[in-house]
This record gives sequence, C-alpha cells and structure tokens, in this order.
Amino acid sequence: AQSVTQLGSHVSVSEGALVLLRCNYSSSVPPYLFWYVQYPNQGLQLLLKYTTGATLVKGINGFEAEFKKSETSFHLTKPSAHMSDAAEYFCAVSEGRGNNNDMRFGAGTRLTVKP
Amino acid sequence: KAGVTQTPRYLIKTRGQQVTLSCSPISGHRSVSWYQQTPGQGLQFLFEYFSETQRNKGNFPGRFSGRQFSNSRSEMNVSTLELGDSALYLCASSSLLNQLGETQYFGPGTRLLVL
Repeated sequence: AQSVTQLGSHVSVSEGALVLLRCNYSSSVPPYLFWYVQYPNQGLQLLLKYTTGATLVKGINGFEAEFKKSETSFHLTKPSAHMSDAAEYFCAVSEGRGNNNDMRFGAGTRLTVKP
Repeated sequence: KAGVTQTPRYLIKTRGQQVTLSCSPISGHRSVSWYQQTPGQGLQFLFEYFSETQRNKGNFPGRFSGRQFSNSRSEMNVSTLELGDSALYLCASSSLLNQLGETQYFGPGTRLLVL
C-alpha cells in the first residue's frame, strides 16, 4: 500500500526566506501526488497536484513542487515566505486504482514564519 | 460556485450518545468522502460515497456509518460515542470517484467534542 512520510513536523523560517517542506512517498505504481494546506479551524485547500507530464508543478500562492521518481520525493518549495504562509501542510499520495479511495496523507508539517 | 459545506461546525456530546453530521458537496459533484482528523492519528479515511452507494470504507468500527442522498448530500453517523471520537470530521467532494488524480475539495469540518 502507498504511504507518505513528511520529514519534520515543524519547520520555522524567517519572512522572505526559502520555504522547503519535504515529502517522500512509497507506491507500487506511478502515483498521484498532492499538497494541501490547512489554516486554523479550516478544511484542507489544494495547493498543487502532480498527475502526469511535467514534473515541476506550480500551484497557488507561489508554491511549487517537483516530482522526483528516482528519489521518491515531492518536496514543496516557495522562494520567499510570507507571514500568511503560516499553516499546516499535508502531502498526500493516491494510486488512483479502480473504485478505491486510496488517498493517504502524511502526518503534516506545521510551518511557522518569523517576522 | 459554492464550496463544500458542513453542518454543524461545532458539536459537544457525551459518551454513549449518537451524532449525525451533514455535508453538502459542490454542485455537480457526486463523490463525497469523509475523513477523521486527530492530533494523534492525523487524517484517516472513513468512507466514500458515489451515486448513493458506499464505494469504500476505511478501518473504523461499525459505530461509524454514513449515507448519501439523491442530491449527493451526505450524512455520517456515529453511535455510542466514545471519548476517542473527539476529532475534526472533514468532508471532501469530487466530481468523480477518487481516482485518476481527481481533486478533492474539502469543507471546513465539524469539530466534535465528546465529554
């Protein structure tokens, strides 16, 4: 079964600094990969997703992620952090087989942005 | 287009009681999935409904059940509540079954506290 590991439950960066949130997955077939963001007391919002094609995926709010099959990684980056980026981020993997809801989420990474 | 709505947003119950949560998907979406989110277990899949049929179920006891109506609205029910059922319950909708990398759109969640 597929699974996701997010390295670092807490990441702290200064405003304007690079944001790097790490995600590694395991999957027996080419996966579909997602990054979601969750603000306090809210549901999850899709940042970006990889299905097929270009391995560098651009999402909302200036975030992007690169699918690296050889490293089984899908790290999320943003060149310059804003205070408004402070939230919890979830990486998810799906193998998209048949009728199964097989989406699996990582444990989440809480991003803190210091002024 | 209106997003996924969940009612109620907050709920307090006591052990042994039962509770029903409601989810209205995005107009035109036929798939509704339910997730439980807790600090200890993270995001866990409960079940998915598509066209009024339960298509898949996660690893939860039979106390957790759900249904979907002809207008795609869904309800989940938890009977004989336990303290450990305290969680944020998230509903997500998509236009198709959760396959082929279909994006799920999440509601704000219902926060259930069991005393």
